[in-house]
Formats: sequence, C-alpha cells, structure tokens
Amino acid sequence: QQQVKQSPQSLIVQKGGISIINCAYENTAFDYFPWYQQFPGKGPALLIAIRPDVSEKKEGRFTISFNKSAKQFSLHIMDSQPGDSATYFCAASILGNGGSQGNLIFGKGTKLSVKP
Amino acid sequence: EAGVTQSPTHLIKTRGQQATLRCSPISGHTSVYWYQQALGLGLQFLLWYDEGEERNRGNFPPRFSGRQFPNYSSELNVNALELEDSALYLCASSLDGTGRNGYTFGSGTRLTVV
Repeated sequence: QQQVKQSPQSLIVQKGGISIINCAYENTAFDYFPWYQQFPGKGPALLIAIRPDVSEKKEGRFTISFNKSAKQFSLHIMDSQPGDSATYFCAASILGNGGSQGNLIFGKGTKLSVKP
Repeated sequence: EAGVTQSPTHLIKTRGQQATLRCSPISGHTSVYWYQQALGLGLQFLLWYDEGEERNRGNFPPRFSGRQFPNYSSELNVNALELEDSALYLCASSLDGTGRNGYTFGSGTRLTVV
C-alpha cells in the first residue's frame, strides 16, 4: 500500500514533442505528490508538486495532472527539449496536519531521452 | 545559500568493513533524510532524523544506522558491508518535519563494496 508505481521505465521523444509519465498509488492518505528530475551524477531536484485539492498544476512547460478518484497522477512536458533528457521520479508523502511520515515514497523512475 | 552537502563523493570499501557517510543540511533545516539509490530500484527510504531524534526508518536491516548532531548534520553508518550495499546514498533536508516546504537533495555518496 506504500508503493508508487511509475511508467514507462524509459521514454524517447522527439524535440518539440510531449513527454508523458504516469504514476499510480494505493495509499489514500498520501497528500503531497512531487516530481523530481535527476541528471547523471546529481541528486534529484524538485520540479513541480501538487496537493490533492487541485486537479492540475502548471509551471512553464511542466504540468501535473491529478486524478484523485483513480489514484493516478502524471507529468506532462510540453515542447520537450534535449536539455530535458534526465531521469524523472514521481513521489508521494503524507504531510497531514502539521505532522508527517517524514519521508517521500518514490516511483522507480523514467529515463527520458529527447532526440534533436 | 549552500545546498545539501555530502561527503565523501566516492567511497570504496571491502565486504565486511564499515562505512560512514556524512551530510550537512541547508542552513536552518532541521530534518535530514537518507535514501539508497541502487541501480534499477529507484530511491529507497532509509532513515529520517529531526531535531536530533530518529523519527522513521525504512525497511533496512539494523546494520544501517545513523545519528543527527546538535548542528543538524547527520551521518549514516553501514556496518558489515555486503556487496549489495553498493549504491548511491542520497541525503535530503527539509525546513522541518512536516515536509511542507519541500525536500532538497545533495549529490550523494557513491559507495562501492568490493
């Protein structure tokens, strides 16, 4: 019940295309859903995050879509660029009311390659 | 503002030895989290420290332990190293234990057990 399932494992997109990565969770107590971007040799960096009270959040070319009833959320990268080539991780945690489980549960990651 | 710093960058140990990894959180952050990133397994939660106390622990054996110091820096100790402990160990910090202000990761320590 603590798992976050991420797909696909790898994704190849042409420059200018749309990259879509999907995640699903079981634990309905999760109330914080971030996406992280990781380049080789670096730690993951927060890209964008969403709370379950909204269905969509957009920041520049990055959009999170959230479907609470289906327990799914996805990352859309519009106008994908070669510089977006990285590994993307979805995650979930319980922020609760001032307290938390304290740790993020991560998906296994998606390696995105954007071809020029 | 300095980010989360981890040392050493790389560490090579022999099976059965002990490894000590260090993490300095962002100034003002009181919570430190440790993750193991093994090839193909994503990030697995190891330990969470907040205000000097261990708050939560992932599904890892007791030979993985750590502590948080009064200045909120932390160290992760891995005893009786096994070959499968080879991984990138990532440290993250957050402003407090709620996680509401996000988590910032360091670049990790690459541990190789031979």
